[in-house]
Amino acid sequence: DIVMTQSPDSLAVSLGERATIHCKSSQTVLFSGNNKNYLAWYQQKPGQPPKLLFYWASIRESGVPDRFSGSGSGTDFTLTITSLQAEDVAVYYCHQFYGTPPTFGGGTKVEIK
Amino acid sequence: QVQLVESGGGVVQPGGSLRLSCAASGFMFSNYAMHWVRQAPGKGLEWVAVISYNINNQHFADSVKGRFTISRDNSKNFLYLQMNSLRVEDTAMYYCARSAYDWEHLDHWGQGTMVSVSS
Repeated sequence: DIVMTQSPDSLAVSLGERATIHCKSSQTVLFSGNNKNYLAWYQQKPGQPPKLLFYWASIRESGVPDRFSGSGSGTDFTLTITSLQAEDVAVYYCHQFYGTPPTFGGGTKVEIK
Repeated sequence: QVQLVESGGGVVQPGGSLRLSCAASGFMFSNYAMHWVRQAPGKGLEWVAVISYNINNQHFADSVKGRFTISRDNSKNFLYLQMNSLRVEDTAMYYCARSAYDWEHLDHWGQGTMVSVSS
């Protein structure tokens, strides 16, 4: 199985400041046939199901604010929130769907400092 | 709008069975692969199973293989998860989610149904 390792486990950021979450896969999730990274990011707020933020590593889902960005390729990926808002408090998960079974990172909890 | 509504969760003893359902609406159900993903209390996400849009392909996590089956009724827009030989470690919130193809991102999720396995 492809292991997804997220870091940090949690971070506290002041309102308006940048939050950066890392996700590393144990093997590449870049498919050379179409040059797509089979990697998604989700946001899960307390008591809610996960919500898709990005797919193919960097394609923003409709309705996601542009303060969120996804980047990276191969085995190393980053989710960045450029100006943290109160409503961004959540747990964020990366997810690879390149290998079988699909696997998720352990999650990163983002809080307000 | 896309809606996925799970039901069928509850409390069951170890070794027991449950059947979860997921009612889909707001999209062409038969065009999408459907997944079950679970989340143990206070823990992260674990993919459980997928069924292709045409039912031809089904895959399971090793942790549930041989105990769980996934099915769908494209005429009624329903997804199912039959869970047998339940274990304490199967206790979790179970979400249904859709993807455009078997192995793609999950673009819509239901609210989940809670399964508790306890004696």
